[in-house]
Amino acid sequence: NAGVMQNPRHLVRRRGQEARLRCSPMKGHSHVYWYRQLPEEGLKFMVYLQKENIIDESGMPKERFSAEFPKEGPSILRIQQVVRGDSAAYFCASSSISRNTEAFFGQGTRLTVV
Amino acid sequence: DQQVKQNSPSLSVQEGRISILNCDYTNSMFDYFLWYKKYPAEGPTFLISISSIKDKNEDGRFTVFLNKSAKHLSLHIVPSQPGDSAVYFCAASGNTGNQFYFGTGTSLTVIP
Repeated sequence: NAGVMQNPRHLVRRRGQEARLRCSPMKGHSHVYWYRQLPEEGLKFMVYLQKENIIDESGMPKERFSAEFPKEGPSILRIQQVVRGDSAAYFCASSSISRNTEAFFGQGTRLTVV
Repeated sequence: DQQVKQNSPSLSVQEGRISILNCDYTNSMFDYFLWYKKYPAEGPTFLISISSIKDKNEDGRFTVFLNKSAKHLSLHIVPSQPGDSAVYFCAASGNTGNQFYFGTGTSLTVIP
């Protein structure tokens, strides 16, 4: 679990600002997943990426949200023009290329929009 | 479209007794199932998994049972300990890709 690094742990943004959440997967992992947990709710899938490719973004809101996983560097979840409803815990997970292996989660980034 | 469902939001169990957490899924293409445990303000931690070729997997106090015909899996914790108090998520993945689908979680409280 400690191998997936997310930063920052806490992020406060004013309405209308941009939020950038970073995720460095575990060494050797090429699959990254972003999940959002709203207060009092479960984990909601947002997007699944492999290096330089978005595989499934069916859980991403159509506007203001984007994600990338470049060849070099961490995966980035970007939220433009944040609104109060974006306040949530955002978790990143990574897994290896092998099938039927577990995904390991980071500690999450808690975004608060004021 | 919730493909993995945990219908019990919460469960309370006396210390030393068995905790049984349930999970149902709808997609028959799922072939790998996992349980995660989550404490407040932390990321989910992998607990135990099971492949669809098995119907049971045991790891210490934790056992996962899979009933493919019913599309149902359960996590048994015995004996339950106060430190087991957490939110438990079940998850599934299928042979169409590596995406993991999560349930909404069950909050377990083990009473000393």
